[in-house]
Amino acid sequence: DIQMTQSPSTLSASVGDRVTITCRASQSISRWLAWYQQKPGKAPRLLIYKASTLESEVPSRFSGSGSGTEFTLTISSLHPDDFASYYCQQYNSYSPYTFGQGTNLEIK
Amino acid sequence: QLQLQESGPGLVKPSETLSLTCTVSGGSISSRSYYWGWIRQPPGKGLEWIGSIFYSGSTYYNPSLKSRVTISVDTSENQFSLILSSVTAADTAVYYCARLCDSGTNYWYFDLWGRGTLVTVSS
Repeated sequence: DIQMTQSPSTLSASVGDRVTITCRASQSISRWLAWYQQKPGKAPRLLIYKASTLESEVPSRFSGSGSGTEFTLTISSLHPDDFASYYCQQYNSYSPYTFGQGTNLEIK
Repeated sequence: QLQLQESGPGLVKPSETLSLTCTVSGGSISSRSYYWGWIRQPPGKGLEWIGSIFYSGSTYYNPSLKSRVTISVDTSENQFSLILSSVTAADTAVYYCARLCDSGTNYWYFDLWGRGTLVTVSS
């Protein structure tokens, strides 16, 4: 299995801050990485696919970068609505698809 | 707008079989552009992919669950289903159905999710 490791597990920040979440793969996954946002009691929402392509209707303050084994999700200026959990997921290999353990972005 | 909705029992006894159905509305499950899948999330934990299916019936399963999982599709009802046998408390989770998209690359990611349904395994 390809292991996905996110850091940090918890991130405390304030409205307006710029924040970055890192996701590392245990082997190269090229650019086949997605990012999801999940709010309590809700389903995950796709934010970014192919490492840096913004899904339709996702605000431009979200951006993704990286390739190979190291990837980042950046929120340029936090809005109140952005406080949630974030997950990366590799889809280079379906045997199996794997997710990071999640990053909980909380209000400082 | 396409929507997915999970349905099925919220409580299953240990050693019994969990059965869930995902109904797709606002679009056809028979599209060649999408796969369909199941993902689960134990309370307070992360996400685990269970398996995926194409409208033709072609399936891919997580090797860690493969011996207990069957995913099937019913194109006439625009539904796909999950069966997980011999459940234990470790199978307690919110189960999500989702659509997989590849944007023409043949690499598939989850672009649309159902709201999820909590299944508790307990006697």
